[in-house]
Amino acid sequence: NAGVTQTPKFQVLKTGQSMTLQCAQDMNHEYMSWYRQDPGMGLRLIHYSVGAGITDQGEVPNGYNVSRSTTEDFPLRLLSAAPSQTSVYFCASSRRQGMAGNSPLHFGNGTRLTVT
Amino acid sequence: DAKTTQPNSMESNEEEPVHLPCNHSTISGTDYIHWYRQLPSQGPEYVIHGLTSNVNNRMASLAIAEDRKSSTLILHRATLRDAAVYYCILIVNQAGTALIFGKGTTLSVSS
Repeated sequence: NAGVTQTPKFQVLKTGQSMTLQCAQDMNHEYMSWYRQDPGMGLRLIHYSVGAGITDQGEVPNGYNVSRSTTEDFPLRLLSAAPSQTSVYFCASSRRQGMAGNSPLHFGNGTRLTVT
Repeated sequence: DAKTTQPNSMESNEEEPVHLPCNHSTISGTDYIHWYRQLPSQGPEYVIHGLTSNVNNRMASLAIAEDRKSSTLILHRATLRDAAVYYCILIVNQAGTALIFGKGTTLSVSS
């Protein structure tokens, strides 16, 4: 089973460039989310979606956009990259029950982004 | 915000049981307790979750205190592959505010 697939695995950007981090899941999960992981900070929620066409902001949404046109895909867009966005980004998904806590979150293996 | 407290690190020997503690004194009645682990260069991996009762699965057991203010993840026989960072987190019963990750416990396993 593929689970949650994130591409690319690594990316280097210059300040001001834009890019899209891709996330796809093949488990028909309603809930999808993006996190960033920085040293000593744990995982912080950027944006999430409870279904196709529905997105909302998490703890650290500034500088990021998302859309959810299909159940399977949840891309994360950086419109104008900044060095502060250097981080490891994780996408996760779960069944609807996961929104209330009674279902596990499935994570991708991350995208390591460096902004110079 | 619902928070958890874990020791920074723990050590174990191979094939011995490991008890990883977690304090969550501000837990609310509907918050689920989840455990994840993360290997280097990988995403967090689900281990187990529970609400009030103790839980067992093929990977581990979860013991939840009667007042729910603490819990313990039990690995029955540690292997070298269990060396990872273990996160105890609370799933607040509201989409989007869930998964407040702390710093976790780094488990070392020696042969």
